Amino acid sequence: GNSVTQMEGPVTLSEEAFLTINCTYTATGYPSLFWYVQYPGEGLQLLLKATKADDKGSNKGFEATYRKETTSFHLEKGSVQVSDSAVYFCALEPNAGGTSYGKLTFGQGTILTVHP
Amino acid sequence: KAGVTQTPRYLIKTRGQQVTLSCSPISGHRSVSWYQQTPGQGLQFLFEYFSETQRNKGNFPGRFSGRQFSNSRSEMNVSTLELGDSALYLCASSLGDWGLTFTDTQYFGPGTRLTVL
Repeated sequence: GNSVTQMEGPVTLSEEAFLTINCTYTATGYPSLFWYVQYPGEGLQLLLKATKADDKGSNKGFEATYRKETTSFHLEKGSVQVSDSAVYFCALEPNAGGTSYGKLTFGQGTILTVHP
Repeated sequence: KAGVTQTPRYLIKTRGQQVTLSCSPISGHRSVSWYQQTPGQGLQFLFEYFSETQRNKGNFPGRFSGRQFSNSRSEMNVSTLELGDSALYLCASSLGDWGLTFTDTQYFGPGTRLTVL
C-alpha cells in the first residue's frame, strides 16, 4: 500500500537557521505530493505541492522537489522565523482513481519550534 | 472566496451518544473528504463524497457514516460513541473531477474537536 515517512521530530531551530524536513514515500505509479502545515488549534493549510517528477513546489520561502529516483519530497527553507513554528505534514495522493478518490496518505507529522 | 467551514468547532459527548458534524466546502468544490486526527494514529482517512455519492471509504467501523447534499455540503455521523472516538475531525474539499490530469488538491477546514467522556 501507499505510505509516507517523515523525519522524527521535534525539530528545534534558532531564527534564521536553515530548515530541512525529510519525507520519503512508497506508492505505485506517479502520485502527487503535498506539504501541509498545521498551527496550534487549527486545521491543515496547504503549503506547497508537486504533481510530477522533478517538479518544484514553493510558497512563503519553502521549497520541495519531487524526486522520483529517491522517492523523496524534502521540505526546505533557507531562513526560518518564529512564526514558522507549527506541525508539518507530508502527504501523497495516488492519482489512480478508483479507491484513491479523495484519499490523502499522510506522514506522522514533524513538530518545528523556532526560537528567537 | 470563503474557505471550508466546519460546525461545531467543539463538542463534548458521553459514551453511547451519537454526534453529527457538518462541513461546507469551498464554492464550486464537489468533493468532500473526512479525516480523523489523533495523537496516536495521526491523520486517517474516513470517506470521500462526490456529487452525493460515496466514492471511497477508509477502514473505520460502520458506526462512522456520512452523506452529502445536493449543494455539496456534507455531514458525518458517529453513533454509539466510544472514548477512542475523541479526536479532531477534519473535512477537506476539492474540485473532485480529475479529468485528464489525474490530480486534485484538498483544502481543509479548521476541524471539529470531539471529546467523548
